Amino acid sequence: NAGVTQTPKFRVLKTGQSMTLLCAQDMNHEYMYWYRQDPGMGLRLIHYSVGEGTTAKGEVPDGYNVSRLKKQNFLLGLESAAPSQTSVYFCASSKQQGGPLNEQFFGPGTRLTVL
Amino acid sequence: DAKTTQPPSMDCAEGRAANLPCNHSTISGNEYVYWYRQIHSQGPRYIIHGLKNNETNEMASLIITEDRKSSTLILPHATLRDTAVYYCTGTGDSGGGADGLTFGKGTHLIIQP
Repeated sequence: NAGVTQTPKFRVLKTGQSMTLLCAQDMNHEYMYWYRQDPGMGLRLIHYSVGEGTTAKGEVPDGYNVSRLKKQNFLLGLESAAPSQTSVYFCASSKQQGGPLNEQFFGPGTRLTVL
Repeated sequence: DAKTTQPPSMDCAEGRAANLPCNHSTISGNEYVYWYRQIHSQGPRYIIHGLKNNETNEMASLIITEDRKSSTLILPHATLRDTAVYYCTGTGDSGGGADGLTFGKGTHLIIQP
């Protein structure tokens, strides 16, 4: 099992450009999450999904959109990138949310720089 | 939902027990506490979780106070490889939404040789 994979690993964008980050999991998990991590800020939840075809906002959703067309994939889109979106992005998945099976499995991260 | 508070950094001597505290005074009755750690810039990895009772696994022990307002993660014999940032999180309630899911800034644990 590959677990949670993320593509790309690194990306440099210019202000105003768009891109999509792909997260894939092979554990048949219902729940998937996108976080961003800035220096000294810990992890902040951007969006999450409770199942195929669903998405919901987290703590810092502005400037991002997401889609979950297939259970195993969770896409994070930046329509018009801004320097404030320079960050490391982590995807995670879990079998359950809010209970004893909430263990989240994280991907290796995508390092995004917006110039 | 639990907002968590952790000390920003701690030191521990190699071979000694590392005790990492977490305050989660706003935790709700059916909300679990989870601990993760993050080494360098890798993705965080799960350590342990609990609801009311103390828990132990091959990696660590988790002590939760009777009022559930705080917990302590114990690494019984710390090694240099345990140097990492440790996060305690509240999972939100069991209603299925993740809007209560919070990761604080964590504790940077440094194991001294």
